[in-house]
Amino acid sequence: DVQLVESGGGLVQPGGSLRLSCRASGFTFGSYWMSWVRQAPGKGLEWVANIKQDGTDKYYVDSMKGRFTISRDNARNLVYLQIDSLRADDTAVYYCAKTRVGTTCYFDDWGQGTLVTVSS
Amino acid sequence: QSAPTQPASVSGYPGQSITISCTGTSSDVGDSNYVSWYQQHPGKVPKLMIYDVSYRPPGVSNRFFGSKSGNTASLTISGLQTEDEADYYCSSYTSTSTLVFGGGTKLTV
Repeated sequence: DVQLVESGGGLVQPGGSLRLSCRASGFTFGSYWMSWVRQAPGKGLEWVANIKQDGTDKYYVDSMKGRFTISRDNARNLVYLQIDSLRADDTAVYYCAKTRVGTTCYFDDWGQGTLVTVSS
Repeated sequence: QSAPTQPASVSGYPGQSITISCTGTSSDVGDSNYVSWYQQHPGKVPKLMIYDVSYRPPGVSNRFFGSKSGNTASLTISGLQTEDEADYYCSSYTSTSTLVFGGGTKLTV
């Protein structure tokens, strides 16, 4: 079975940085795009970024370019999201999602999410 | 990148049918056959219900039907059941190779 386990969330002060991790198992990690999606408390889903199988292509939502960096380590089945200059409105549950891209595009498996709280 | 518009809420009685719309632009929904729909129960992880406008993944009931016309995609749920009560989100691939979610719709049964 596909498993995606996020970690690295927690309470961070405004202006701080955080690196989220997502460990994947149950599928050939290096064969799939991976994405990060976030959900602020009581709000809707917001796509953040995705990364190609070999890490050569990365895409971000315009509003997060510059502060968010997605990366992956295929040898360790890990995908990361580095978030810098954290702001209060970055407070959200961050999900990683296995993503089908190519002749299709959708998120077919999701992790349980990790909560990031930005507050002083 | 503005989010496609979904109604904030829809409701129906058990056994009835409802339709949730997802209205985007010619740069996302209107330009893409890669529209998907997700169901999210409170406190739970989103679940894929429809992909590529109208395809159902294995295990998803055939009561869920997806379609698209122009800049608007739709999710129709027939024979409403109480367990269908959840939030529903559309998602679309865009002309700039990014993805965007609709604002979400709360379905009350």
